Amino acid sequence: EPEVTQTPSHQVTQMGQEVILRCVPISNHLYFYWYRQILGQKVEFLVSFYNNEISEKSEIFDDQFSVERPDGSNFTLKIRSTKLEDSAMYFCASRKTGLDTGELFFGEGSRLTVL
Amino acid sequence: QKEVEQNSGPLSVPEGAIASLNCTYSDRGSQSFFWYRQYSGKSPELIMFIYSNGDKEDGRFTAQLNKASQYVSLLIRDSQPSDSATYLCAVNNSINAGGTSYGKLTFGQGTILTVHP
Repeated sequence: EPEVTQTPSHQVTQMGQEVILRCVPISNHLYFYWYRQILGQKVEFLVSFYNNEISEKSEIFDDQFSVERPDGSNFTLKIRSTKLEDSAMYFCASRKTGLDTGELFFGEGSRLTVL
Repeated sequence: QKEVEQNSGPLSVPEGAIASLNCTYSDRGSQSFFWYRQYSGKSPELIMFIYSNGDKEDGRFTAQLNKASQYVSLLIRDSQPSDSATYLCAVNNSINAGGTSYGKLTFGQGTILTVHP
């Protein structure tokens, strides 16, 4: 069964360092997302990406965050200068259709720990 | 601010009982609603979606939607210990452009369900 894959599964970094989280969405999907979940808190939307551009972003997704689909298969989230409060599980998701009821498929997540 | 609220629980039910999970949402324009299950340390996994008022059944699961009351619920019949997880209610708050929904979901904080043998 096709799945969304994410790497790394866990990354530990020092505050102020740059981090890149990688995702390979399901191959025939067109819509891509990053969500995050701080431990014990809600899953929060960060950004959606369609047709090679950002379609929506949340207030969390400020200038330190960026997304890219460099080669038609990978979908990356870059955090330029990490802060302690960026420590969270980051989930990539993809969706095939533009229908409201289209299912989001989530990857297993990348846990980011900022020290 | 578009909010989705759930009773965080924990909700504890005996094996074989019906578990009832509730969710309210603030954006009256919301069109589609999702229930996800999340095991500890894992990613959300879709159980059901619903977009019309009324009930929708899938196996042991029934989702109920009442748009007038801005209320969504999930019933789990014949609960099993393997159903023990956090159940997340999510609402599609996406903007629409030219008829395409970008699929942004707003999640509730989740209800912890424990099914004890």
